[in-house]
Amino acid sequence: AQSVTQPDIHITVSEGASLELRCNYSYGATPYLFWYVQSPGQGLQLLLKYFSGDTLVQGIKGFEAEFKRSQSSFNLRKPSVHWSDAAEYFCAVGAIWGSTLGRLYFGRGTQLTVWP
Amino acid sequence: DVKVTQSSRYLVKRTGEKVFLECVQDMDHENMFWYRQDPGLGLRLIYFSYDVKMKEKGDIPEGYSVSREKKERFSLILESASTNQTSMYLCASFGSNTEAFFGQGTRLTVV
Repeated sequence: AQSVTQPDIHITVSEGASLELRCNYSYGATPYLFWYVQSPGQGLQLLLKYFSGDTLVQGIKGFEAEFKRSQSSFNLRKPSVHWSDAAEYFCAVGAIWGSTLGRLYFGRGTQLTVWP
Repeated sequence: DVKVTQSSRYLVKRTGEKVFLECVQDMDHENMFWYRQDPGLGLRLIYFSYDVKMKEKGDIPEGYSVSREKKERFSLILESASTNQTSMYLCASFGSNTEAFFGQGTRLTVV
């Protein structure tokens, strides 16, 4: 069965510190992996995605993620966190239906708090 | 630049009311989805549609139905609203080239 696990419900970091958000997935086919961010009262914004190729993916806002097939992981990282990064982060796995993106399976989210 | 529009940001309805949540996309996407978001549970799929008049149940369809009469519009219907349907509802539209867009969400409160 398809599933996504985000082990950390809540993470607190100081501004300027490095960040790693964990994501593990279970998927029967070639996974297409995503990280989304949701600020309070807002919809989901795509940070980055991985379909194939280089396993280190660069995204917006200085985020990157690394796909590790052997560990079924797709962890999100940022070298230096800004106070504006405080938000909820969702990892998702999905598949392609024909030529379009099919349904996404989401993790339960990680809430990031940033201390000044 | 709005691509997926949900008709309401906030709704308050009474128990037993029939509730319609509307979602419109302007990108000619085939696949549209309704998710429900609750704290600590992430996003759970209610229903999806891959073509006009086509619909499939997601993981939590009970108490909901959907309608897709036109490609750009996907409606979620709560036949008889209950307090346990108080939640944030997110509509999504997925297209070719792995485009995926989400609406701003509708926060529904059932009293």
